[in-house]
Amino acid sequence: KQEVTQIPAALSVPEGENLVLNCSFTDSAIYNLQWFRQDPGKGLTSLLLIQSSQREQTSGRLNASLDKSSGRSTLYIAASQPGDSATYLCAVYNNAGNMLTFGGGTRLMVKP
Amino acid sequence: DVKVTQSSRYLVKRTGEKVFLECVQDMDHENMFWYRQDPGLGLRLIYFSYDVKMKEKGDIPEGYSVSREKKERFSLILESASTNQTSMYLCASSFSRGSYEQYFGPGTRLTVT
Repeated sequence: KQEVTQIPAALSVPEGENLVLNCSFTDSAIYNLQWFRQDPGKGLTSLLLIQSSQREQTSGRLNASLDKSSGRSTLYIAASQPGDSATYLCAVYNNAGNMLTFGGGTRLMVKP
Repeated sequence: DVKVTQSSRYLVKRTGEKVFLECVQDMDHENMFWYRQDPGLGLRLIYFSYDVKMKEKGDIPEGYSVSREKKERFSLILESASTNQTSMYLCASSFSRGSYEQYFGPGTRLTVT
């Protein structure tokens, strides 16, 4: 059974820092990997979807990489801002593409 | 833009009540999903549906049922609500082809007293 782990569980950084969130998964036979953002009490906002044939995706200050063979993905946030404070969730799609397994999330606090 | 809506943001029900959570998507997606999210346990799949009138159990279906009479609507039913069903419920939908990307609704915070 696929297991997804996110480290660290919580992170606090001063504004302006570049930071990396980590995600690892046990079964490398995945279809896609997706990063989400969740604000307290709210739903999930999709940040980046990396298809299994891709190595990375970029959107603005966010860059996500995928290394299927090692079972790892990273989310890089450049020049962090207080508005980036949220929980970040990593999720992997099974080989058929129709099921998601989520990690436990990283709770990020960016201090002004 | 894909839009997934859920009937209520907050809901308070009493133990033993029958509860309906509704989810509607406007992108003609074949697949629809219900998850619950709890602190320390993350997001867990309750039920999903690949087509109208079709349903499949997820990881934690006990105490729940679902209904999909129309393609755009997927309902989660708590036949007799219990306090351990207090949770955040999230609905999602996706195409059954291409990237399979799942799009999520805003969530329903259900409290059972």
